[in-house]
Formats: sequence, C-alpha cells, structure tokens
Amino acid sequence: GAGVSQSPRYKVAKRGQDVALRCDPISGHVSLFWYQQALGQGPEFLTYFQNEAQLDKSGLPSDRFFAERPEGSVSTLKIQRTQQEDSAVYLCASSQDPVSNQPQHFGDGTRLSIL
Amino acid sequence: GDSVTQMEGPVTLSEEAFLTINCTYTATGYPSLFWYVQYPGEGLQLLLKATKADDKGSNKGFEATYRKETTSFHLEKGSVQVSDSAVYFCALRGYTGRRALTFGSGTRLQVQP
Repeated sequence: GAGVSQSPRYKVAKRGQDVALRCDPISGHVSLFWYQQALGQGPEFLTYFQNEAQLDKSGLPSDRFFAERPEGSVSTLKIQRTQQEDSAVYLCASSQDPVSNQPQHFGDGTRLSIL
Repeated sequence: GDSVTQMEGPVTLSEEAFLTINCTYTATGYPSLFWYVQYPGEGLQLLLKATKADDKGSNKGFEATYRKETTSFHLEKGSVQVSDSAVYFCALRGYTGRRALTFGSGTRLQVQP
C-alpha cells in the first residue's frame, strides 16, 4: 500500500515491560513524526526525524521513551519499563520534505494498553 | 507556545443541517492551519488546509477560512450527511522552527438520519 503503515495495531503489555512500536512511512518521505493520543484528546507531538537524524525530541515525556530511524526509512518507538499512563494511541506521520508545505500523512496508529 | 482551541462536542445534528465547528489558535507569525478528520476505526486524514491569511481551504463540501484578525479557522458545511459522523481536529504548524503539528482536542460530530 501507499500509506503509512504501523504495527502492531494493538499491543497489550504488563506494567514494567518494554515495548517497541514500528512505523513504515510513505516511500521517499523525508520527514517522520511520532505523536501520542490519549483517549478523547488530540495528538501530542513526541519526536521528529529528518531522514535518519532525530532533530527534535522535545515531546518525549521521559527518558523511558526512545525513538530511532537508523536508515532514514522505518522508525521504531521504544518504551522501557512501561507504566499505566503510557496507555494511548501512538501515531506516526510522514511528509515529503521539511521545506515545502506538504501535509503530514498519518498511519492508523498503535493502541497501547498497559495493565 | 502554540495552542489550538476547539469547541467541545459532541455536536449532534440532523441530516442536511448546517455545520459550524469553531477553532481558534495562538501562535507567533503566520502558521499554516489544517482540519483533520478521524472516522470510526480509521486514522487521521487531512480534510483541508490554508497556508496564509484569507485563504479558504475546501474539500468534500467542507470549508474553512484563515482569519488572522480573529485568529480563527472555523469549519463549515452547508448540508451534513450521516457519513460525516467523525471526530474533527483543528491543527496548526508554526511558521518557523518545529515542523510538528499542534492539535486541538477534537470535536465529535454525530449526524442523525
């Protein structure tokens, strides 16, 4: 498919476990964003990549959150020692390039539930 | 910092009614403004956008005009359908610096037949 793909679609983990969420952006898209969407709220920015460079991680809520995009394509968001407040939908978005005003295209998200 | 405020929902309308969802923003400079829609069980989809003052974005019968003087970007549709039932998010992207979107909290629209 031509859209942004995220996996898994649903993830259930026990408190204290580590989780890894995957994002496959649209082919050729330079910019990649991660957002966190709590129930009934709008998405909130976590981190931004331009190719493989993580240019902005100001939205990551704690040092338990880590993201990478080593080859400038697929990205992984890792959450260590999960806590109940990490339960949310994690959205990935990509856009064509950082300079022009191209819109961000979103994946369907990963719904993370921490028990 | 940048922020977006939307009217709270749910908004419940009958089919063919007129829709307005209010959105106001706070940002420095000249942000770009967006409306995204999230249908049940689906991801966020871009509905329309406007990149400068007085621009009107439009798509699928929805319209929104970028009003810098009132810092607003209200979403309107003349005649809603049941299939328009969804959550609508207003968002902005700052003129400089961070390229991420700042979203409002979303407004749920329920259209009854």
